[in-house]
Amino acid sequence: ETAVFQTPNYHVTQVGNEVSFNCKQTLGHDTMYWYKQDSKKLLKIMFSYNNKQLIVNETVPRRFSPQSSDKAHLNLRIKSVEPEDSAVYLCASSLGLGEYEQYFGPGTRLTVL
Amino acid sequence: GQQVQQSPASLVLQEGENAELQCNFSTSLNSMQWFYQRPEGSLVSLFYNPSGTKQSGRLTSTTVIKERRSSLHISSSQITDSGTYLCAMEQRPSGSWQLIFGSGTQLTVMP
Repeated sequence: ETAVFQTPNYHVTQVGNEVSFNCKQTLGHDTMYWYKQDSKKLLKIMFSYNNKQLIVNETVPRRFSPQSSDKAHLNLRIKSVEPEDSAVYLCASSLGLGEYEQYFGPGTRLTVL
Repeated sequence: GQQVQQSPASLVLQEGENAELQCNFSTSLNSMQWFYQRPEGSLVSLFYNPSGTKQSGRLTSTTVIKERRSSLHISSSQITDSGTYLCAMEQRPSGSWQLIFGSGTQLTVMP
C-alpha cells in the first residue's frame, strides 16, 4: 500500500533547466524529508520539514529548494540543474523527527544531459 | 574521513545462514537507524536504536554507544532478505537534525 506518492517517476532534462518534483503523503504525518541517492547508491538527507521548521543539510547547493503548501506536501525544486544532480530523489514522511518510522516514496529518477 | 563505516560491503549467504552486519561511527551520535533497500529500490525503516538491543522477527539490532558501533543480525536468512542494508547516524547539533548514512551492505541470499 503506497502512502507516499512521488511524481514524476522519471525525468530527463538538459543542463541549466529548472525541474520540480512532487511529493504527497496520505499518512497524516507531521514530518517530511527529501533524500538524494547517487549513482553509487550513497544516500544523503537533503531537507527535513517538521512542524513548519525547515532543516537544511548544509552540503545541499542553493539551487535546490523545498516547497511546502501544507504538511502533506513537500515538493523539491532545482533551479538550474547540473550533471551531478543526476540521481534518484526519495521523499519520505514520519510522525516526527528521530525515533519514528519513516515511510518512503518510490523515488524520482533524474537524468541531466 | 567517513563518519559512518559499514562492513562488509557485500555478503553472500546460503538460505538459512545467519548474517551479522556492522556499522562503526567516528563521532558522537543521538541514535543509529537501520534501513533496508529492496533490489528494485524501495526503502523501508527497520530500526531506530539509540542504545541496547531491539528485535523484530528475525532481525536484531544492537547499538553500543561507548564502543561506537551498531550491528544488525539476520537469523535464518531467506532469499527475500536480499537487498542493501543501510545504517544511518542521527545527530542533533544545536537544535538541528542530521542523518548520515553508511555506504551499505549488499546482501545476496542464495537458494
